Amino acid sequence: EVQLVQSGAEVKKAGESLKISCKGSGFRFSNHWIAWVRQKPGKGLEWMGVIYPGDSDTRYSPSFQGQVVFSADKSISTAYLQLNSLRPSDTAMYYCARQGSSWSIDQWGQGTQVTVSS
Amino acid sequence: DIQMTQSPSSLSASVGDSVTITCRASQDISNYLAWFQQKPGKAPKSLIYAASSLQGGVPSSFSGSGSGTDFTLTISNLQPEDFATYYCQQYNLYPYTFGQGTKVEIK
Repeated sequence: EVQLVQSGAEVKKAGESLKISCKGSGFRFSNHWIAWVRQKPGKGLEWMGVIYPGDSDTRYSPSFQGQVVFSADKSISTAYLQLNSLRPSDTAMYYCARQGSSWSIDQWGQGTQVTVSS
Repeated sequence: DIQMTQSPSSLSASVGDSVTITCRASQDISNYLAWFQQKPGKAPKSLIYAASSLQGGVPSSFSGSGSGTDFTLTISNLQPEDFATYYCQQYNLYPYTFGQGTKVEIK
């Protein structure tokens, strides 16, 4: 069974940093692009970018370029989203998702809630 | 960036109805269009890829069509579990972008 399991909820203060993990199982993790998607409270989905764990190639949305860092460790089938200099406006649910062989997203993680206080 | 515009933003329907949601791209995206369903407090679920192909396990009451810039998602015979928010997404060009969502509510 294909699964993406994300790390647990985080509560941070403004200015701190955070790294969220997304562990894949049931498929060859190295061979699939992993996307990161943000959802602010009560709002829609925002595509942040993707990483290819096989060679750590990344594509960032211009809206998030410089604000976030994607990384991956293919040896443990895990992708990471790092958020630096957190602001209250970073409060959101963050999802990882697998792009399937059709290039579209076919599997989602359960989400990681990030809450940033001032 | 390619802008994805969904209409309507929300709609009310009854169990058993058929509903159609439209998604328009600001430029030609061929058939690189996906649809997702999201229920409150849950992660999105993938429904359709390549504009009209169902993801595994998705009931045939869901169907998608379109190519180029205009796409539709149709849900036939609405069931209680279909009341949710639906998003389209283009994956033709980076940055991949989502529509703003369409909330399907019970009338």
